[in-house]
Amino acid sequence: DVKVTQSSRYLVKRTGEKVFLECVQDMDHENMFWYRQDPGLGLRLIYFSYDVKMKEKGDIPEGYSVSREKKERFSLILESASTNQTSMYLCATAGQGDSPLHFGNGTRLTVT
Amino acid sequence: RKEVEQDPGPFNVPEGATVAFNCTYSNSASQSFFWYRQDCRKEPKLLMSVYSSGNEDGRFTAQLNRASQYISLLIRDSKLSDSATYLCVVNTGGSYIPTFGRGTSLIVHP
Repeated sequence: DVKVTQSSRYLVKRTGEKVFLECVQDMDHENMFWYRQDPGLGLRLIYFSYDVKMKEKGDIPEGYSVSREKKERFSLILESASTNQTSMYLCATAGQGDSPLHFGNGTRLTVT
Repeated sequence: RKEVEQDPGPFNVPEGATVAFNCTYSNSASQSFFWYRQDCRKEPKLLMSVYSSGNEDGRFTAQLNRASQYISLLIRDSKLSDSATYLCVVNTGGSYIPTFGRGTSLIVHP
């Protein structure tokens, strides 16, 4: 069974802080994704990565960056947290071809 | 990126009812399709993949209509525990970039 682990379930940060959200997978999947989910807006793709050191912008990359130094780890960075980044953040992984996504259990971030 | 659309509902049905959801997609090059279930404040979990010939898993049946560009999910004999949001996911060939619908809410009542 695929295991996708997000480092924190709940996080509270102050405006302007630098925030790191970590995601680790144990299935040697090439593809990793960061989404945010807000009521009424569904899941929106922030960044994704096809391989180590590769990253691509998703639909809403502004205010975020990512790092993938090792295949199993994909980090989402909020350089200077703002209140409009309060959201549920979901990491997902997928293998090659037509593989489905597997999600971590999410990080609920509140920026005050 | 092309859209994936779902009726947000909610679909409010009694236990034992049969309910069906549709999901339309606009990119004819889409190659793989999935249904996910998401409970309140939890992560989405894979319910089933959708195959060209249609597929069934217990009370759940998924179908793909490429000509009309939609997928469907049929739930028979609804249970209270089926109450959740159902998300459809479409993956277009080439780069692996899954696109999500916004989900359909199902409420099964006694």
